[in-house]
Amino acid sequence: DAGVTQSPTHLIKTRGQQVTLRCSPKSGHDTVSWYQQALGQGPQFIFQYYEEEERQRGNFPDRFSGHQYPNYSSELNVNALLLGDSALYLCASSTYYRVSGNTIYFGEGSWLTVV
Amino acid sequence: DAKTTQPPSMDCAEGRAANLPCNHSTISGNEYVYWYRQIHSQGPQYIIHGLKNNETNEMASLIITEDRKSSTLILPHATLRDTAVYYCIVIGDSSYKLIFGSGTRLLVRP
Repeated sequence: DAGVTQSPTHLIKTRGQQVTLRCSPKSGHDTVSWYQQALGQGPQFIFQYYEEEERQRGNFPDRFSGHQYPNYSSELNVNALLLGDSALYLCASSTYYRVSGNTIYFGEGSWLTVV
Repeated sequence: DAKTTQPPSMDCAEGRAANLPCNHSTISGNEYVYWYRQIHSQGPQYIIHGLKNNETNEMASLIITEDRKSSTLILPHATLRDTAVYYCIVIGDSSYKLIFGSGTRLLVRP
């Protein structure tokens, strides 16, 4: 049973460019959330996708967008990259309707460096 | 803001038990206490969670006080590989996001 998989693991982009990060949730999970973790900080919630729609959004600009496919996999897109977008981007996998404290699992993350 | 308070750092000797405390005095009746850890440069790893009863799994034990205002994560025999930042998070089934505080940086000494 594969866990949460993310790609790529590391990438370097130039300011102003666009980036796409990918995530496949754990088997049996239908919901993907994305988090940004700057160096030395805890992860911050970006948004959540369920049934191919953005359901919840954190305090991030519209440059951050996403998509979810019918197989529940998801993409995070960031446009017009800024130096401050350099961070570890984490994908979290869960079921949308959580009961009895169903667990949320994370992937290993994608390290983005903007130069 | 995070609903939990944890000491910024702790250390313990390898082979000894590591007891990591967490205060969550405003926890609601339907909210669970979750513990994750993050080893440098990796994604957060789920450890354990509980509602009001003490819980144990292959990684750790979770002791929740009767009033549920605090809890302790116990790593019974810490190893060097347990060196990580440990996050205590309170979340209900209807919550859509995990709110991470600063966590506790645990250093396991040889």
